[in-house]
Amino acid sequence: GAVVSQHPSRVICKSGTSVKIECRSLDFQATTMFWYRQFPKQSLMLMATSNEGSKATYEQGVEKDKFLINHASLTLSTLTVTSAHPEDSSFYICSARAGEGHRYEQYFGPGTRLTVT
Amino acid sequence: KQEVTQIPAALSVPEGENLVLNCSFTDSAIYNLQWFRQDPGKGLTSLLLIQSSQREQTSGRLNASLDKSSGRSTLYIAASQPGDSATYLCAAAHWASGNTPLVFGKGTRLSVIA
Repeated sequence: GAVVSQHPSRVICKSGTSVKIECRSLDFQATTMFWYRQFPKQSLMLMATSNEGSKATYEQGVEKDKFLINHASLTLSTLTVTSAHPEDSSFYICSARAGEGHRYEQYFGPGTRLTVT
Repeated sequence: KQEVTQIPAALSVPEGENLVLNCSFTDSAIYNLQWFRQDPGKGLTSLLLIQSSQREQTSGRLNASLDKSSGRSTLYIAASQPGDSATYLCAAAHWASGNTPLVFGKGTRLSVIA
């Protein structure tokens, strides 16, 4: 299947700093990418839907000014957690939707573990 | 609004048993349904994808079925092994080419005891 990468896989930062997470579709173009957050022992919660070249659509309760999403190309989307706080510590997973040739399947990255101290 | 439910939430079985994980969804107008595996602290691994026009998909010891009319899917694991221990998630895709993301169930945490 298609491959989605995320970088970094793990990051520890101090409270108040910003962290950028990259999500890349390696062997296909993704017009739509999704960002999820997962707290321990819970399921994935959708944060936002990102379309190449346009503004992201955020789910209710997700602050767009805190979680900045940039979908600059058909293979790259970035999530920046601004002024991170300990409550932002979580597992962030991106997903890219492939086109008709891949049956519109959603492929997931390996996730980024964010710890804010 | 699509809701996906998985039963049971947790399951523990001895090695070698065949088992069934259940997934139900409220809106039958799905495009496809996917089953994933997630190991602790890791991302998702896609196991099987069933298109809405299909009844089942098989991969090795795994078999997933789909009954759109009743809003149900099952994942059958044959001859379970300790390496199958993980959380299994099902997710429904409502629209093929739009922005609608997968809607996930809360998962079934499987433990296979050697």
